[in-house]
Amino acid sequence: GAVVSQHPSWVICKSGTSVKIECRSLDFQATTMFWYRQFPKQSLMLMATSNEGSKATYEQGVEKDKFLINHASLTLSTLTVTSAHPEDSSFYICSAREREADTQYFGPGTRLTVL
Amino acid sequence: GQNIDQPTEMTATEGAIVQINCTYQTSGFNGLFWYQQHAGEAPTFLSYNVLDGLEEKGRFSSFLSRSKGYSYLLLKELQMKDSASYLCAALDSNYQLIWGAGTKLIIKP
Repeated sequence: GAVVSQHPSWVICKSGTSVKIECRSLDFQATTMFWYRQFPKQSLMLMATSNEGSKATYEQGVEKDKFLINHASLTLSTLTVTSAHPEDSSFYICSAREREADTQYFGPGTRLTVL
Repeated sequence: GQNIDQPTEMTATEGAIVQINCTYQTSGFNGLFWYQQHAGEAPTFLSYNVLDGLEEKGRFSSFLSRSKGYSYLLLKELQMKDSASYLCAALDSNYQLIWGAGTKLIIKP
């Protein structure tokens, strides 16, 4: 089946630094990628939707200048958490969808801890 | 390797009961999630099991057997709004999520 990877798996950083998380579709072309945030035992909160080659669409309440998303190719999207603070500590999950397909394939997640 | 298996699609009748099975093979285990996802929407958390047994939440129940690497989601008194995809995901020893491909549940009147 389709595989989506994320890198890094976990990251610890100091407050004020920026962290980049990569999401890759390994065996298919992902025209659309989604970025989610998950708090313990809660639903995935959609942060933004990105289509290859265009600007990401952010959900209400998500700061686009803080969470920079780049979907530069059909297999790679990146989420950069700028000037991270402890409240940004969370589990970030991406998913990818092929062109005109219904199914989303989810990545394993990246655990971010900001000290 | 790590793997999650669940049926691709199931069909059930309104008012009936349906059980969606999920088997997993992971490097270590730190719990299993069930999510519901309606088309075009973000997945909604349904349950989290880390101990063996059945947990009931209203019309939805989730069961886990760690020794068998097996879980199921039981939906009772099915309603049309329960038509959705149901995702099974296991947390491995590194707290990484291993996702199933999802089961599309179709409810017929």
